[in-house]
Amino acid sequence: QKEVEQNSGPLSVPEGAIASLNCTYSDRGSQSFFWYRQYSGKSPELIMSIYSNGDKEDGRFTAQLNKASQYVSLLIRDSQPSDSATYLCAVRSLGGNNRLAFGKGNQVVVIP
Amino acid sequence: GAVVSQHPSRVICKSGTSVKIECRSLDFQATTMFWYRQFPKQSLMLMATSNEGSKATYEQGVEKDKFLINHASLTLSTLTVTSAHPEDSSFYICSPTENTEAFFGQGTRLTVV
Repeated sequence: QKEVEQNSGPLSVPEGAIASLNCTYSDRGSQSFFWYRQYSGKSPELIMSIYSNGDKEDGRFTAQLNKASQYVSLLIRDSQPSDSATYLCAVRSLGGNNRLAFGKGNQVVVIP
Repeated sequence: GAVVSQHPSRVICKSGTSVKIECRSLDFQATTMFWYRQFPKQSLMLMATSNEGSKATYEQGVEKDKFLINHASLTLSTLTVTSAHPEDSSFYICSPTENTEAFFGQGTRLTVV
């Protein structure tokens, strides 16, 4: 079982709609959860971090964490063409020298 | 956010030569440096972890004699790809970490011909 799984294929959403991304992780000891956005040919940039169960909102982005079910999700409201990118879920566990485990990413395409 | 400088951003080299990639944390001290590699349409794969002044710890399948990592100071780490082969062509990204906050360099696109 992979540490972090993002199983959905490319996601196409019309401009203004909500994009929903999901991520599951295997290590119950995980403490920190991150969503990164990566444009083609660029390095990842952090868009959300979440550490406790529940929702965390930042502008058009909402991260949701459920440690009991071991999943973390990202909602993008009012999707814009500039949101078209690959979104990487990353998880950090206790110990392990602060290393992050990344999912394979989900490509989001916002259609004008 | 923190400023990370990774150079070069793009490099083309001949098979058998060596390439050095430099990563600097400009406004913070990186207690830990992670080096990642990303092949097209795949996620970031951790290659190695290094702490300042210590030898790097390599992930399984990553040859330590081929990918030389130097982390001599809290603001500078280098990755040298030695005797490069075409299959080493990839996107290399450094990630200096201060405590629990991870930052990323701009990445280096390496093409070995």
